[in-house]
Amino acid sequence: DVKVTQSSRYLVKRTGEKVFLECVQDMDHENMFWYRQDPGLGLRLIYFSYDVKMKEKGDIPEGYSVSREKKERFSLILESASTNQTSMYLCASSPSGLGVHHEQFFGPGTRLTVL
Amino acid sequence: QQQVKQSPQSLIVQKGGISIINCAYENTAFDYFPWYQQFPGKGPALLIAIRPDVSEKKEGRFTISFNKSAKQFSLHIMDSQPGDSATYFCAAGDDYKLSFGAGTTVTVRA
Repeated sequence: DVKVTQSSRYLVKRTGEKVFLECVQDMDHENMFWYRQDPGLGLRLIYFSYDVKMKEKGDIPEGYSVSREKKERFSLILESASTNQTSMYLCASSPSGLGVHHEQFFGPGTRLTVL
Repeated sequence: QQQVKQSPQSLIVQKGGISIINCAYENTAFDYFPWYQQFPGKGPALLIAIRPDVSEKKEGRFTISFNKSAKQFSLHIMDSQPGDSATYFCAAGDDYKLSFGAGTTVTVRA
């Protein structure tokens, strides 16, 4: 079974703190994604990576950065957390295939609260 | 703005009834239309998906209907069961990115 794990289920941080969310997948997938999920807005793509050290902005990258130093690990960084970044963060991975869609496998999510 | 519009926001159906969720899109570059199911405390999981060269796909009690000219697609859950109570997201894909709808919370009453 594909497994995508996220470092924390719940996280509480203060405004202005630097926050790291970690995601690890065990299926050798090339693609990894970070989404945020908010009620009434669904899932919105923050960043994705199609290879080690490669990254592309999604629909809402402002206030976030990412790092992918190893194939299995994709980190989301909030440089200076703000209250409007309080949300559920979901990591996903999928195998590669340019022009071909594959199922995305999601982790359980990290609920981040910024006070 | 949301590239995929999903409705209704929530619905309640009796056990054995039919649940219908609708989605619409504008971007004609989309060529992949999956539905994801999410239970509380879990990440979404792929339920069923369709490509625009077919108008319908059925897997068990779940059916996707696709209307390319109208740029609409829908999920039908037949013989709804309490275990189907979940949030359902439609999505549309181009390249390897997905754009998700806002989600529909389905509650099946026993």
